[in-house]
Amino acid sequence: DGGITQSPKYLFRKEGQNVTLSCEQNLNHDAMYWYRQDPGQGLRLIYYSQIVNDFQKGDIAEGYSVSREKKESFPLTVTSAQKNPTAFYLCASSMIAGGLNEQFFGPGTRLTVL
Amino acid sequence: QQQVKQSPQSLIVQKGGISIINCAYENTAFDYFPWYQQFPGKGPALLIAIRPDVSEKKEGRFTISFNKSAKQFSLHIMDSQPGDSATYFCAASLAIGGSQGNLIFGKGTKLSVKP
Repeated sequence: DGGITQSPKYLFRKEGQNVTLSCEQNLNHDAMYWYRQDPGQGLRLIYYSQIVNDFQKGDIAEGYSVSREKKESFPLTVTSAQKNPTAFYLCASSMIAGGLNEQFFGPGTRLTVL
Repeated sequence: QQQVKQSPQSLIVQKGGISIINCAYENTAFDYFPWYQQFPGKGPALLIAIRPDVSEKKEGRFTISFNKSAKQFSLHIMDSQPGDSATYFCAASLAIGGSQGNLIFGKGTKLSVKP
């Protein structure tokens, strides 16, 4: 059963703590993406990776970090430097980066900072 | 130059009616325009997409209309059903590979179809 899994579904964090969101895909896709979704704000790109061991900043990368050590995994760390981390985080993948390549999304992780 | 403006923010339609969502873009180089559908608590999924070489694309009850000169495109949902109630996002990008092809999303439209 191919797809993208994100865990956990809900995550609570205390202020000042780093937290890592998991994203795994078994679609054999080269490209992976992290988006942040806030009410009324659409989807904003945090980081993307076109290939293993490579990643680039998106529009709102400050306070976030990623790694891409394996093709199927693209974890996102929300650091204490992120001023307003409470949001719905979506991971996506596509066969290759950009353009006409359909992005497939995971079910999301809702992060709440207490 | 990189913005995609979407309207309305929310929309209420009676069952059987037509839902219309509009988007406008600024970057004339954009040449790929997908629409994504998102149900509550789920990730978005591609609904339908269009390239600027055609002015309209239809898939079932869903139609994209594209106006290149006005830099606008819209989603029409015919015979709207309660199961269509979701948030819809338009997007735009360059139809090329790599980072230049990253999607730019509109802010979304929450559609509610009343029975």
